[in-house]
Amino acid sequence: DVKVTQSSRYLVKRTGEKVFLECVQDMDHENMFWYRQDPGLGLRLIYFSYDVKMKEKGDIPEGYSVSREKKERFSLILESASTNQTSMYLCASSSDRGRYGDNSPLHFGNGTRLTVT
Amino acid sequence: QKEVEQDPGPLSVPEGAIVSLNCTYSNSAFQYFMWYRQYSRKGPELLMYTYSSGNKEDGRFTAQVDKSSKYISLFIRDSQPSDSATYLCAINAGNNRKLIWGLGTSLGVNP
Repeated sequence: DVKVTQSSRYLVKRTGEKVFLECVQDMDHENMFWYRQDPGLGLRLIYFSYDVKMKEKGDIPEGYSVSREKKERFSLILESASTNQTSMYLCASSSDRGRYGDNSPLHFGNGTRLTVT
Repeated sequence: QKEVEQDPGPLSVPEGAIVSLNCTYSNSAFQYFMWYRQYSRKGPELLMYTYSSGNKEDGRFTAQVDKSSKYISLFIRDSQPSDSATYLCAINAGNNRKLIWGLGTSLGVNP
């Protein structure tokens, strides 16, 4: 089974702090994603990466950056945390190989619930 | 009009009931349809994946796609308390970097 591991389940940070959220996958997947999930707004894509050192903006990249130095690891960085970044953050990965090619389904971690005070 | 519409519920049913969860979508070009299940304080997990029209069955779960009506459904037979979760539909708009998500339907199955 694919395992996507997010380093923290719960995180509390202060406004203005720099925050790092880490994600590791163990299935050699090419693609990795960061989403945030908010009530009434659903899942929104922040950034994704389709290869090491490659990244593309999703729908809501403002206030975030990402880093992918190794294939298995994808980090989300909040440069200066703000209260409106309080949310559940979900990391996911997917493969371009296999039956559905680049339409393969995503595999999610269990999320990091970030509170910014 | 949103690209994907999903009634958020909540839906509450007795154990053993047949459950029908639905999403409508706006773009007839969509071809890949997914259902994810998300338990409280967990990440979504893939439940069903359907390409194009028709039905797909896996145990107590059946996914149905009606492209002419732009309507997808997930049926759960003999529902169990362990099925209590939020069910999210997701539609692939070209590749997996362009997934469009429903808001999710919260389901409670009462013993």
